[in-house]
Amino acid sequence: KQEVTQIPAALSVPEGENLVLNCSFTDSAIYNLQWFRQDPGKGLTSLLLIQSSQREQTSGRLNASLDKSSGRSTLYIAASQPGDSATYLCAVGTGANSKLTFGKGITLSVRP
Amino acid sequence: DGGITQSPKYLFRKEGQNVTLSCEQNLNHDAMYWYRQDPGQGLRLIYYSQIVNDFQKGDIAEGYSVSREKKESFPLTVTSAQKNPTAFYLCASSEPPHTEAFFGQGTRLTVV
Repeated sequence: KQEVTQIPAALSVPEGENLVLNCSFTDSAIYNLQWFRQDPGKGLTSLLLIQSSQREQTSGRLNASLDKSSGRSTLYIAASQPGDSATYLCAVGTGANSKLTFGKGITLSVRP
Repeated sequence: DGGITQSPKYLFRKEGQNVTLSCEQNLNHDAMYWYRQDPGQGLRLIYYSQIVNDFQKGDIAEGYSVSREKKESFPLTVTSAQKNPTAFYLCASSEPPHTEAFFGQGTRLTVV
């Protein structure tokens, strides 16, 4: 059974820092990996999708990498801002039906 | 605007009642999903549907039922058999296979 782990559960940093959020998964037979952002009481916003054949994806200040063989992904946030404060979730897609298995998320607080 | 609409945003259920959560999408996606989110836990899959008039149980289907009579709609009924229904419910859609998943804003269900 696929398990997704995100450690630490919470992170607090000063504004301007470059951040790396980690995600690990137990079964490397994935089709894709997706990073989401969730604000308190809200739904999930898709940030980046990496297909299994890709190594990384970039969108603005965000860069996500994928190493299938080691079961790891990282989300890099450059020059963090208070508006980046949210919970970041990692999910891996497995099976022909594209089911997503989620980690518990990392709650990020960026201090002004 | 294209997206997923969940309603209502807040829902209160009395003991022994069935309640139905609405999910509508105008993204023309074939696949739709229902997830449950509890504090400190990752999202867990309740039901999913890959195509109209077909759906499958996810990891925690007991006490829930769904229908998929139209491509754009995937309502979730929380029955009285669900003993701990208080949670945040999220609906998602994607275009198989293995594409980006999009989420609605969620429905918070509380038992009173």
